Amino acid sequence: AQKVTQAQTEISVVEKEDVTLDCVYETRDTTYYLFWYKQPPSGELVFLIRRNSFDEQNEISGRYSWNFQKSTSSFNFTITASQVVDSAVYFCALRRNTGNQFYFGTGTSLTVIP
Amino acid sequence: GAGVSQSPSNKVTEKGKDVELRCDPISGHTALYWYRQSLGQGLEFLIYFQGNSAPDKSGLPSDRFSAERTGGSVSTLTIQRTQQEDSAVYLCASSLASSGSPITDTQYFGPGTRLTVL
Repeated sequence: AQKVTQAQTEISVVEKEDVTLDCVYETRDTTYYLFWYKQPPSGELVFLIRRNSFDEQNEISGRYSWNFQKSTSSFNFTITASQVVDSAVYFCALRRNTGNQFYFGTGTSLTVIP
Repeated sequence: GAGVSQSPSNKVTEKGKDVELRCDPISGHTALYWYRQSLGQGLEFLIYFQGNSAPDKSGLPSDRFSAERTGGSVSTLTIQRTQQEDSAVYLCASSLASSGSPITDTQYFGPGTRLTVL
């Protein structure tokens, strides 16, 4: 069975601090895809990143970076120098190579305090 | 271009009534998903449409839930005889297709419909 766990329910940081959001997944598939989405207070989920299981190269996009480690089944997300606009709920998700379902974690609510 | 739109944005209904929720996907997107997001929970998959193929209904929680997608575009999620536990935000997402390609399987979400069953 597939499962995505985001153990951190809520995180608060002061502006300009770095913060890492954890994501641990379970699957027996050898090929799968991992995603991060941001859900700001407005409610609409915004796609952030997609990662293939066969590509463990870490990725950096501006203040965002992702650390994918198959050995620990983790796909963690770090925001550097956090800003108030980063306040949102962040979801990690897994998609199998077959079938149509996405498996979402329960989300981490990030509050950046000015 | 226009994103995924959903209507209504909010719906309050009485227990036992039927409700219809509408999703208008991004033009040209052949794949359409419905999810339910309850308070403090992640997104729960409900149903998936891909082109003219039979929908994947494996996530529907009961036979009170059904969905249609007419003409491969607009989709309607219907909940019959609503119960209080149906209260949630119902999210719709679309993608170009459903495959192992980063171009096609990334989902784009609508703003959701907040359903409250009294």
